[in-house]
Amino acid sequence: AQSVTQLGSHVSVSEGALVLLRCNYSSSVPPYLFWYVQYPNQGLQLLLKYTTGATLVKGINGFEAEFKKSETSFHLTKPSAHMSDAAEYFCAVSPRSGGYNKLIFGAGTRLAVHP
Amino acid sequence: NAGVTQTPKFQVLKTGQSMTLQCAQDMNHNSMYWYRQDPGMGLRLIYYSASEGTTDKGEVPNGYNVSRLNKREFSLRLESAAPSQTSVYFCASSEAHGTDTQYFGPGTRLTVL
Repeated sequence: AQSVTQLGSHVSVSEGALVLLRCNYSSSVPPYLFWYVQYPNQGLQLLLKYTTGATLVKGINGFEAEFKKSETSFHLTKPSAHMSDAAEYFCAVSPRSGGYNKLIFGAGTRLAVHP
Repeated sequence: NAGVTQTPKFQVLKTGQSMTLQCAQDMNHNSMYWYRQDPGMGLRLIYYSASEGTTDKGEVPNGYNVSRLNKREFSLRLESAAPSQTSVYFCASSEAHGTDTQYFGPGTRLTVL
């Protein structure tokens, strides 16, 4: 069965520092890959996704992620953190087979940004 | 467009009580989903409806039932609530293909005493 591992349940960075949130998946066939963000007391919203084509994907709010098949990874980065980036981030995968949109989520990483 | 709406926002139940969580979407999406979110466990799929008229179990369906009332609405029912069902519940909708974005509602925070 597919699974998603997010390394680090909590990450803390200084404002202006690099943000790196790690995500690895386990599947023999690379799935579709997603990053969602959840701000406090809100639902999830899509940051970015990889389906096909260029392996470096740009999303909203300056985030980007790179699909690396050899490492089964899809890490999320942002060059310079803002206070407003404080939120919980979820990596998710959707199998390429199966014919419908089924998401499997990682446990989430809570990002704290301090002055 | 309101997107995905959920009612109620908060609910407290006693063990054994029943309730229905309501979800509606105005994006004309074919597929709808119910998830629960627990600390340290991400979101887990309870039930989904790939299209109007169909429903299927997800990862954690025990203790829940669903109804796809029409294309817009998808409800989740707890027949006899248990403390283990204390959680935050999210409804989502999307088109059917695996590449499509799921759009989430604001959630219902349920406490079962």
